[in-house]
Amino acid sequence: EIVMTQSPATLSVSPGERATLSCRASQSISSNLAWYQQKPGQAPRLLIYGASTRATGIPARFSGSGSGTEFTLTISSLQSEDFAVYYCQQYNNWPPWTFGQGAKVEIK
Amino acid sequence: QVQLQESGPGLVKPSQTLSLTCTVSGGSISSGDYYWSWIRQPPGKGLEWIGYIYYSGSTHYNPSLKSRVTISVDTSKNQFSLKLSSVTAADTAVYYCARERHDYSITFDYWGQGTLVTVSS
Repeated sequence: EIVMTQSPATLSVSPGERATLSCRASQSISSNLAWYQQKPGQAPRLLIYGASTRATGIPARFSGSGSGTEFTLTISSLQSEDFAVYYCQQYNNWPPWTFGQGAKVEIK
Repeated sequence: QVQLQESGPGLVKPSQTLSLTCTVSGGSISSGDYYWSWIRQPPGKGLEWIGYIYYSGSTHYNPSLKSRVTISVDTSKNQFSLKLSSVTAADTAVYYCARERHDYSITFDYWGQGTLVTVSS
């Protein structure tokens, strides 16, 4: 099973600033990585797939990069609605598909 | 717009079987374009993929749960279901059903709102 490790666990950022989240895979997953956003009491929402392709309707301030074992999600200018928990998910090796433990972006 | 809705008991006793159903609207499970998954999230923790089913009945499960999980589909009702046997407190979680796409990526693009299942006597 591929283990996904996210860092930092919590990121404190002021509105308008940039946020950068990391996700590391325990072995190479090529570009087979997705990112999700989850707000309290809600289901996750797909943001990015293929490591860097935004899902339908996702604002351009969200961008993803990386390949192999190291990946990054960047939110260029945080809006109030972006404060949430973010998960990475690998779909290179299965079963199972695996998620990171989550990274919380909170208001500084 | 595809919508998914979980239903089932919110409280299950230890050693019993957890049973949930997901009703899909706005799209047909039988279209064959997607897979249909269950994912769970223990309170305050991360996401765990449980397994998926295709409209034909083909399934794949997380090896960590495989011995206890059964996912089935009822295309006539546009529903799919989850059964998890011999539950313990560790199975307490919000259970989500989700649509799993297998085209450009393998991702979950539509989710139900989730239902909390508590395992307790």
